[in-house]
Amino acid sequence: KAGVTQTPRYLIKTRGQQVTLSCSPISGHRSVSWYQQTPGQGLQFLFEYFSETQRNKGNFPGRFSGRQFSNSRSEMNVSTLELGDSALYLCASSERGVYNEQFFGPGTRLTVL
Amino acid sequence: AQSVAQPEDQVNVAEGNPLTVKCTYSVSGNPYLFWYVQYPNRGLQFLLKYITGDNLVKGSYGFEAEFNKSQTSFHLKKPSALVSDSALYFCAVRVDTNAGKSTFGDGTTLTVKP
Repeated sequence: KAGVTQTPRYLIKTRGQQVTLSCSPISGHRSVSWYQQTPGQGLQFLFEYFSETQRNKGNFPGRFSGRQFSNSRSEMNVSTLELGDSALYLCASSERGVYNEQFFGPGTRLTVL
Repeated sequence: AQSVAQPEDQVNVAEGNPLTVKCTYSVSGNPYLFWYVQYPNRGLQFLLKYITGDNLVKGSYGFEAEFNKSQTSFHLKKPSALVSDSALYFCAVRVDTNAGKSTFGDGTTLTVKP
């Protein structure tokens, strides 16, 4: 099976702009999670979707949003970008069940200038 | 609330020596525990997990981890380290009552010197 893919891999934006990141999970995986990774804060949970429903959300401002489509592909959107949003955004997919491991994509490196 | 602590930012070992990367957790309910590894400029890769049963679990690349309920720990171990094991290691926890949320530790950088 193909792995988790994320597009784009690199993105440069300026403050105030918005951005949309895309994630295609492993075929058959219906759970998709998003994480923000920064050197100082580690891996922070953004949200998780299962069958097009957001099941859980981390402690991020409302500028961060996401959605999942019927084919399990997911997008996350960040509006009104701030310098502190510069990070590696990771997407992970898994099979149903909290005991299942996650499979991560390579990430999207977002730089906000 | 669920949390994970990796008390060591960095672990240095000599090739051929045993290694341990520490992880402790705090949850309400039964934990599902995971170890992931991240190589430079790459996403995280799954190493092993504890669900239930035998407290010693074995995973990829010769790694193993021991679940200790009384100490709420899940330390990662390998009997003989390789230089190629040098990477960033993350411990993570999930619980049934908080479906969909994985909480990760801050990560431990393992450096294995020849």
